[in-house]
Amino acid sequence: EIVLTQSPGTLSLSPGERAVLSCRASQSVSRYLAWYQQKPGQAPRLLIYDASNRATGIPVRFSGSGSGTDFTLTISSLEPEDFAVYYCQQRLNWPPLTFGGGTRVEMK
Amino acid sequence: EVQLVESGGGLEQPGGSLTLSCAASGFTFSSYAMTWVRQAPGQGLEWVSALIGVTNNTLYADSVKGRFTISRDSSKSTLYLQMNSLRADDTAVYYCAKVLTPGGSNMHMDVWGKGTTVTVSS
Repeated sequence: EIVLTQSPGTLSLSPGERAVLSCRASQSVSRYLAWYQQKPGQAPRLLIYDASNRATGIPVRFSGSGSGTDFTLTISSLEPEDFAVYYCQQRLNWPPLTFGGGTRVEMK
Repeated sequence: EVQLVESGGGLEQPGGSLTLSCAASGFTFSSYAMTWVRQAPGQGLEWVSALIGVTNNTLYADSVKGRFTISRDSSKSTLYLQMNSLRADDTAVYYCAKVLTPGGSNMHMDVWGKGTTVTVSS
């Protein structure tokens, strides 16, 4: 099973600041990694698929990069609605499909 | 509009059974792989099961294998999750989700339902 480790656990930032979230895989997942955003009481929302492709309707301030074992989600300038929990997920080697433990982006 | 609506959650005793449903609309249901993902209270996301659209192949997490069964009725555009021998650690919000591309070649999930809550407790 591929284990995904996200860091940091919590990121405390202010609106307008840049957020950089990390996801590290226990073995290579090539570029088959996605990022999701989840707000309290809501379902997850797909932001980025296959490492760097923005999903439909996702603002350009969200970008993904990386390959192999190290991936990054960058939010270039935080908007108030971006404060949420973010999860990564791999699809290369499954079952099981696996998710990271999440990074909470909170308002400072 | 592509939409998924789950139902069937509730309170069940340990050892009991529940069947979750997920009604799909706005896309060719039979062509897409579908998944169930759960989230225990205050915890992260856990993949539970998938059904591959073209082959009807079914796959499960080890934690539910032998207890849960995923199925679909394409005539009703509905996905199901039959849950037997329920345990306390099955308590979670259960989401159904559609994968990104037809055929199951890309298992990233682009459409999610709002979820249905399952509580297993005596």
